[in-house]
Amino acid sequence: SQQGEEDPQALSIQEGENATMNCSYKTSINNLQWYRQNSGRGLVHLILIRSNEREKHSGRLRVTLDTSKKSSSLLITASRAADTASYFCATALFDYKLSFGAGTTVTVRA
Amino acid sequence: EAQVTQNPRYLITVTGKKLTVTCSQNMNHEYMSWYRQDPGLGLRQIYYSMNVEVTDKGDVPEGYKVSRKEKRNFPLILESPSPNQTSLYFCASSLPGANVLTFGAGSRLTVL
Repeated sequence: SQQGEEDPQALSIQEGENATMNCSYKTSINNLQWYRQNSGRGLVHLILIRSNEREKHSGRLRVTLDTSKKSSSLLITASRAADTASYFCATALFDYKLSFGAGTTVTVRA
Repeated sequence: EAQVTQNPRYLITVTGKKLTVTCSQNMNHEYMSWYRQDPGLGLRQIYYSMNVEVTDKGDVPEGYKVSRKEKRNFPLILESPSPNQTSLYFCASSLPGANVLTFGAGSRLTVL
């Protein structure tokens, strides 16, 4: 079974709005990562947060990690049409083993 | 340009006809991995390699083989493809300990 599960499965927002998606996982992790995939293309790494970190920022992205609840959230602020993509969380159980969730599909409407 | 290159990008084949999907990276990464992506299932790891001549099974290795004779190449071999191997395949690589993957563009395989 998958280690990480994203919620919601799909999200539709207006350009300029914020998008929030969540990831829950089952076992202790070393780090958690978020990746973006544009329509069937390769995944692109967005951000990594380690198990001893609670929040991390990268440009318009904000990631939080709550290890007590085994959950993470990804916030995209001031969304743009180019943010339309699928977003995946990946949990690192130990070095080199990354387990991916099924993803959240985000559609940004103009 | 630093990249992971997969070929072919698209392939339609028939049951039982052996095929190889090649993967090459130019970043001198020790770690390489193959994933398959199916709707609603996310990415599932097929095989991975920690270094030359070191390979190990991922979560869904049945029906696949790999080899790692050179650091830059990690081909995925389907000895006798079946329709349930119809999928989108991704190769990825990373530096040791970095744990951040660089993905190829994907290979869409259809087995009839």
